[in-house]
Amino acid sequence: AQKITQTQPGMFVQEKEAVTLDCTYDTSDQSYGLFWYKQPSSGEMIFLIYQGSYDEQNATEGRYSLNFQKARKSANLVISASQLGDSAMYFCAMRETLSGGYNKLIFGAGTRLAVHP
Amino acid sequence: DAGITQSPRHKVTETGTPVTLRCHQTENHRYMYWYRQDPGHGLRLIHYSYGVKDTDKGEVSDGYSVSRSKTEDFLLTLESATSSQTSVYFCAIRPGQGTDTQYFGPGTRLTVL
Repeated sequence: AQKITQTQPGMFVQEKEAVTLDCTYDTSDQSYGLFWYKQPSSGEMIFLIYQGSYDEQNATEGRYSLNFQKARKSANLVISASQLGDSAMYFCAMRETLSGGYNKLIFGAGTRLAVHP
Repeated sequence: DAGITQSPRHKVTETGTPVTLRCHQTENHRYMYWYRQDPGHGLRLIHYSYGVKDTDKGEVSDGYSVSRSKTEDFLLTLESATSSQTSVYFCAIRPGQGTDTQYFGPGTRLTVL
């Protein structure tokens, strides 16, 4: 069965420093996608970044980058120059293909990040 | 902004009562999903839909039913609410075949007493 594992329940980082949030995945599919979402204390789920399994370059979106290591089945999120507003819960997710070609997302349990001034 | 609204945003109900949550989208997206979020579990798929009257079960569908009679609305019904269904419910849309990314509504916090 496909699975996402986030081993860090909580992390903290000093403002302006970089932080890496870990995510490992397990799948037997050759084609898959990996996502990171942010959930601030207000509760909404905000899409941050996507990496396809065939993408050779690591995805980047502003201060977010996804460190994709296919052989190790890891898809870590790197946040550069942390800001106080980055304090939130972060979820790693993977696209799983369903019957009929449809897909769903499976999520890890999340990592709570606290940015300290 | 993916144009997704959920109603109600908060609800408290009694065990055994029926509850319907509504997800409304304004951009005619074909694919819609219902997830629940519980501590330690991330989000888990309840039901999904790939068009009007086309729905299917996710991994935690027991006790839930859905309906989609219009493209813009995806309804989640708890036929007889139980305390184990206390959760935050998220609706999501996927814009189309060209992307796997799902965009989420603001969520509904449901408490079953």
